[in-house]
Amino acid sequence: AQSVTQLDSQVPVFEEAPVELRCNYSSSVSVYLFWYVQYPNQGLQLLLKYLSGSTLVKGINGFEAEFNKSQTSFHLRKPSVHISDTAEYFCAVSATGSARQLTFGSGTQLTVLP
Amino acid sequence: DAGVTQSPTHLIKTRGQQVTLRCSPKSGHDTVSWYQQALGQGPQFIFQYYEEEERQRGNFPDRFSGHQFPNYSSELNVNALLLGDSALYLCASTPVGGGPETQYFGPGTRLLVL
Repeated sequence: AQSVTQLDSQVPVFEEAPVELRCNYSSSVSVYLFWYVQYPNQGLQLLLKYLSGSTLVKGINGFEAEFNKSQTSFHLRKPSVHISDTAEYFCAVSATGSARQLTFGSGTQLTVLP
Repeated sequence: DAGVTQSPTHLIKTRGQQVTLRCSPKSGHDTVSWYQQALGQGPQFIFQYYEEEERQRGNFPDRFSGHQFPNYSSELNVNALLLGDSALYLCASTPVGGGPETQYFGPGTRLLVL
């Protein structure tokens, strides 16, 4: 089984500042890692994914994340945030070769302040 | 191309009642997964349907059941509703042969149990 811990439930940051949303996972098998974004009253949108290869992955809207196997982390970063980035962000994990079940963290609310 | 569609968008029920939620997968997708997202929490996997069979199940009681039709659409049924069943119910579909990275989420059905 897998588990995901998102270390910060809320992250306020000023517009144009950098941000890092932290995610740690636990698994006894190899995993795929994901970040999703959820805007108010909407479903989930995939931001980026790590499947294999380069540990630095780039996603949509200028976000990137780095997979660190030794620290079992997959932190999400953006060098300069915008007001429109205000949303809930979820880290998720799936065992490789699984039947596509995702295990999510509890989410981090990113609020970008003017 | 329509994405994943879910109906209804909102629903209010009372304790003890039964509810049916519906999901139409994205075109070309054959696998449907259901997730429950309680307020302030990350989504939790309920079950997954493939070839009209339940392939995987999360830690949910038997009150939660489902069905997949030959056209790949799916229903989630919840019997004997409890107040704690109030949540956003998300449907996700995956294409033929696709992995978790190809999972596509619908907008969800928000269920309120009074």
